[in-house]
Amino acid sequence: DGGITQSPKYLFRKEGQNVTLSCEQNLNHDAMYWYRQDPGQGLRLIYYSQIVNDFQKGDIAEGYSVSREKKESFPLTVTSAQKNPTAFYLCASSTPTGDSSPLHFGNGTRLTVT
Amino acid sequence: GQNIDQPTEMTATEGAIVQINCTYQTSGFNGLFWYQQHAGEAPTFLSYNVLDGLEEKGRFSSFLSRSKGYSYLLLKELQMKDSASYLCAVMDSNYQLIWGAGTKLIIKP
Repeated sequence: DGGITQSPKYLFRKEGQNVTLSCEQNLNHDAMYWYRQDPGQGLRLIYYSQIVNDFQKGDIAEGYSVSREKKESFPLTVTSAQKNPTAFYLCASSTPTGDSSPLHFGNGTRLTVT
Repeated sequence: GQNIDQPTEMTATEGAIVQINCTYQTSGFNGLFWYQQHAGEAPTFLSYNVLDGLEEKGRFSSFLSRSKGYSYLLLKELQMKDSASYLCAVMDSNYQLIWGAGTKLIIKP
């Protein structure tokens, strides 16, 4: 079955450490996205990529970095510069931006930084 | 600025009908999506509206009025498994999705 896999489901880190969240999709989608979800707020876009080797900052990119070396993979690194990294992170994919196709989401990674 | 408003929480009874409203103010409009999200899980797509009117899909229907900046999701014959958060998202003129904070729906027996 096609889908998006995020790993791990839960992640714990100490403050000051960088951490990388994995996202892999086998839907053959060109576009991939990283969102952050916090209680009481809508999903906020961190980074997105419409094609391999290219990506754009979303609304809250500071303290995060991404790469898109393969179509299937879009890992997110939460750096020590991110002031409030504890959150639920969702990866999504879709056919190219500009059409009405819905996003397909992974099951998320809950990151806790202490 | 761009804004999507939904009620924070609603409660309904098993077997009943519930309507979840969403109002929006965005820079342009290229469609409105509804997603369902169970706690700790991925949002899953429910419906898409780009023209005014009602779209029916089984027990779920979604309505759109572009002139009023308003949509609603109607859930009929509620089941316990419908307990979830319902997210409204609008695609703006740049084809970026603007998300509401979600409505947590609690179903009571």
